[in-house]
Amino acid sequence: SQTIHQWPATLVQPVGSPLSLECTVEGTSNPNLYWYRQAAGRGLQLLFYSVGIGQISSEVPQNLSASRPQDRQFILSSKKLLLSDSGFYLCAWAKAGTEAFFGQGTRLTVV
Amino acid sequence: EDKVVQSPLSLVVHEGDTVTLNCSYEVTNFRSLLWYKQEKKAPTFLFMLTSSGIEKKSGRLSSILDKKELSSILNITATQTGDSAIYLCASTGSARQLTFGSGTQLTVLP
Repeated sequence: SQTIHQWPATLVQPVGSPLSLECTVEGTSNPNLYWYRQAAGRGLQLLFYSVGIGQISSEVPQNLSASRPQDRQFILSSKKLLLSDSGFYLCAWAKAGTEAFFGQGTRLTVV
Repeated sequence: EDKVVQSPLSLVVHEGDTVTLNCSYEVTNFRSLLWYKQEKKAPTFLFMLTSSGIEKKSGRLSSILDKKELSSILNITATQTGDSAIYLCASTGSARQLTFGSGTQLTVLP
């Protein structure tokens, strides 16, 4: 069966520090991969999605970047965090035409 | 740009009430509409609606897709406190994005 791992679960980082959140998927190949950010009690804002290795589409210009170095690995990064980067980050995977499955999320607090 | 709009943003009801959550979409080459329930962390999948499956039901929850009106509703009958959550609607299209709405925060009071 397919599983998705996202870590860390919580993270507190100072302003100006770098960020690296990792997401890996098991049990499937060539999935579509997504990074979302969620403000408290609100919907999911699509940040990046990828349909294959090295293929990244960005939805919102911002302080973040994403990479897909392997088929089932998706990384969200920042060189210098801003206070506004605080939020709940969710990774998800999907096969075309099917529902998406989510990781457990990372609560990022920038202080 | 694909767009999904949900209403209401929040809703407070009492146990036993029936609620209807709304979702409208503007998607290039629409493929599917999905409903999720989010209680604490990861959203959990409820339904997927497509051109070939415009109505789904599971227990007290049901959902209908109106392709003419580009919208969907999620109905919950005989609500329980355990139904309290954020309900998310999402759409997929030819761009393979998965675009979510802003969610509806449902609170069911005892």
